Amino acid sequence: GAVVSQHPSRVICKSGTSVKIECRSLDFQATTMFWYRQFPKQSLMLMATSNEGSKATYEQGVEKDKFLINHASLTLSTLTVTSAHPEDSSFYICSARVGGLNYEQYFGPGTRLTVT
Amino acid sequence: GDSVTQMEGPVTLSEEAFLTINCTYTATGYPSLFWYVQYPGEGLQLLLKATKADDKGSNKGFEATYRKETTSFHLEKGSVQVSDSAVYFCALSDPYGNNRLAFGKGNQVVVIP
Repeated sequence: GAVVSQHPSRVICKSGTSVKIECRSLDFQATTMFWYRQFPKQSLMLMATSNEGSKATYEQGVEKDKFLINHASLTLSTLTVTSAHPEDSSFYICSARVGGLNYEQYFGPGTRLTVT
Repeated sequence: GDSVTQMEGPVTLSEEAFLTINCTYTATGYPSLFWYVQYPGEGLQLLLKATKADDKGSNKGFEATYRKETTSFHLEKGSVQVSDSAVYFCALSDPYGNNRLAFGKGNQVVVIP
């Protein structure tokens, strides 16, 4: 149980285009979802926290107009990278939490984004 | 802010060898501490956790003890198997920040038969 999927697993897009990444909780309802970014040989950096039906809370330094997050249902959150640039190339990972602060986060397998 | 530091570089060892991965942390307050494991092609999975000083987390032969005096949470396993090959992340949960997770850089562990 507690499986989180991401789609696509890999995506290549051209500079200036937008790309959407989906995060789904397959067998539970996620009240909170998190989006992380991971650079090679670096730690995961939290980008934003989203609660179903409300606006996402972005971490300091993360451009909310560039990284659009939508958490429209209890099983789906999307991250849209708008007007992508090569420096946006990275590994994006989502996680989902079933309940309040003391509940475990379950992680998706990640999406590798390459912007050419 | 809160942060986690893991030892540099990948770890390569032979099957049945003893594994130690060092983890130290900086935090205000009293965080919970975690080890996550990421197997190839999969998402991060919680391996073990400890929520207060002197707690020992254990799972699948792995252990880690929450040491407040040395701000450490080192991961150990007495006899590794090839199936333990993965990336291991140390993390802490900020109790004053919505329990957000802060991660170390991770260590690639390769176990050779």
